[in-house]
Amino acid sequence: DADVTQTPRNRITKTGKRIMLECSQTKGHDRMYWYRQDPGLGLQLIYYSFDVKDINKGEISDGYSVSRQAQAKFSLSLESAIPNQTALYFCATSDSRGPTGDNEQFFGPGTRLTVL
Amino acid sequence: KNEVEQSPQNLTAQEGEFITINCSYSVGISALHWLQQHPGGGIVSLFMLSSGKKKHGRLIATINIQEKHSSLHITASHPRDSAVYICAVNKGAQKLVFGQGTRLTINP
Repeated sequence: DADVTQTPRNRITKTGKRIMLECSQTKGHDRMYWYRQDPGLGLQLIYYSFDVKDINKGEISDGYSVSRQAQAKFSLSLESAIPNQTALYFCATSDSRGPTGDNEQFFGPGTRLTVL
Repeated sequence: KNEVEQSPQNLTAQEGEFITINCSYSVGISALHWLQQHPGGGIVSLFMLSSGKKKHGRLIATINIQEKHSSLHITASHPRDSAVYICAVNKGAQKLVFGQGTRLTINP
């Protein structure tokens, strides 16, 4: 089974709808991240969480909200979806307790979201 | 200007060729990552390095901290190496800054 899972994998929705993307991990990592990827652009950080009570905005948080329901779960919500939020969304995890503190991030399979 | 720049953006080569993808960054970093994104979209980590050189199979990654430059090399390239290769750097607090990616196509 995959260590980092995302649901749904694909979603088509309409402008104005509320959408939730979910991420779960079995790696026991304390840190979780949400990114979006647009064609021709690098991944951009939306939100990140260093533990259940620590939520931080990333570079492009406007129009998004998150919830860290448990150490293993981190959800991303689009309160009122708009077409320019059409993108590939990735969840990632990392473990702060490594020797350098700069550990690699492990990515989920991605969610392809289309907003019509 | 992006803090992390990759070149080339697209690369097409024949099977067996030696491949080099470059990454330059303009900020202080604590580590640099090379990631591979498969055609289906999934992203896997290939290397994390803060100095010198690492090798895994046919893949080699090098970094020159003074010149703020890293290279990813693929020896004896194969069609299954076709993917997008992404360079990313740790600026701090475990946040990554990503390059735009290099799309590599290896033809049989």
